[in-house]
Amino acid sequence: QVQLVQGGAEVKKPGASVMVSCKASGYPFSSYGISWVRQAPGQGLQWVGWISAYSGDTNYTQKVQGRLTLTTDTSTSTAYMELRSLRSDDTAVYFCARAVAGTEFDFWGKGTLVTVSS
Amino acid sequence: QSALTQPASVSGSPGQSITISCAGTSSDVGGYRFVSWYQQHPGKAPKLMLFEVSLRPSGVSDRFSGSKSGNTASLTISGLQAEDEADYYCCSYAGSSTWIFGGGTKVTVL
Repeated sequence: QVQLVQGGAEVKKPGASVMVSCKASGYPFSSYGISWVRQAPGQGLQWVGWISAYSGDTNYTQKVQGRLTLTTDTSTSTAYMELRSLRSDDTAVYFCARAVAGTEFDFWGKGTLVTVSS
Repeated sequence: QSALTQPASVSGSPGQSITISCAGTSSDVGGYRFVSWYQQHPGKAPKLMLFEVSLRPSGVSDRFSGSKSGNTASLTISGLQAEDEADYYCCSYAGSSTWIFGGGTKVTVL
């Protein structure tokens, strides 16, 4: 069955960087994209970026443009999200989700809590 | 890019039907049939309930249905059940491999 397994919670200081992993299994990794969606405490969902596991093409929301880099390692079927110059308002649960041909996100990881605090 | 507009809360009694609206623009909801809906219970990951406006993934109850008119999409839950109490989010493709979510609607079963 399709599974997306994310790394554990992270605590970082303002200005630092964080990398969150998302290991996929149960489907041909390169046939789909991976989107990343974050949810600040008590808030709604916010799409932050997408990567094609086939081509490596990426796109990011303007709110994190310049600070976010998405990558994939097809040899291990793992997607990575690196967010730099962390600010307190980056504190959120970050979800990875399988992106189906530009339409919907059909399987989700359980989320990784990233806390930015001095 | 502002979030799609959803009502903050909707409530209904068991067995009733409720509808959640999702208002966007011609650049997102109105421009594509790629509107999806997600259910999220507290502390859990979102779950896909509808895609491409009105299609249900395998395993999702046919009590969930969707539609779209112009720049507004809607999710209807028929025969409301206690287990339907959750937050619901709409999401629209917005072109150039970008997506936008709605602000979310808390559904309460009275």
